[in-house]
Amino acid sequence: DQQVKQNSPSLSVQEGRISILNCDYTNSMFDYFLWYKKYPAEGPTFLISISSIKDKNEDGRFTVFLNKSAKHLSLHIVPSQPGDSAVYFCAASRTSGSRLTFGEGTQLTVNP
Amino acid sequence: NAGVMQNPRHLVRRRGQEARLRCSPMKGHSHVYWYRQLPEEGLKFMVYLQKENIIDESGMPKERFSAEFPKEGPSILRIQQVVRGDSAAYFCASSLQTLSSYEQYFGPGTRLTVT
Repeated sequence: DQQVKQNSPSLSVQEGRISILNCDYTNSMFDYFLWYKKYPAEGPTFLISISSIKDKNEDGRFTVFLNKSAKHLSLHIVPSQPGDSAVYFCAASRTSGSRLTFGEGTQLTVNP
Repeated sequence: NAGVMQNPRHLVRRRGQEARLRCSPMKGHSHVYWYRQLPEEGLKFMVYLQKENIIDESGMPKERFSAEFPKEGPSILRIQQVVRGDSAAYFCASSLQTLSSYEQYFGPGTRLTVT
């Protein structure tokens, strides 16, 4: 049972444009959501998080939007840079428990 | 502030041998998690530990796998009698866990290859 889904395995955008990565979840008990970036042969790097009491959180070029009624979140990167090329993972957790449930990841390629 | 440290980075074991993976959390972090990434898959939770306590081991295979986080020293993930299907990247993460922050910070991983 895949509780967190990233339906796009890959995304390609031009440098300077916006990248939008999407994530859906099925478990209504999730109330904390995170995005991680991962380069090959490295561990995931934390990017940004959002609590279910908010619908938007912004940090520099990264903004995460949460739509609880649709059980959907998205990560916006603007402007996109070639160094952003990596696999992006969406993750979810319950505040009462600490395990993270990850999506399958989306490979973002930003072309110069 | 040093990040999460894992060693070894690469480990090769023959079938039937034991594998020991070590993780030192970030300074000040007392919560440790282990995740496994099989080839072409996402990360899957294995176990969550605090000092001297296993909090959640619901993601651990029932046999051959064990984990500990002693009062002193790193957390250890131990795999006995390894099989080819254990070949994967094993990631450790740590967190501080305040009332408003649940971010987990990951180490570089240990890539286990079973021959």
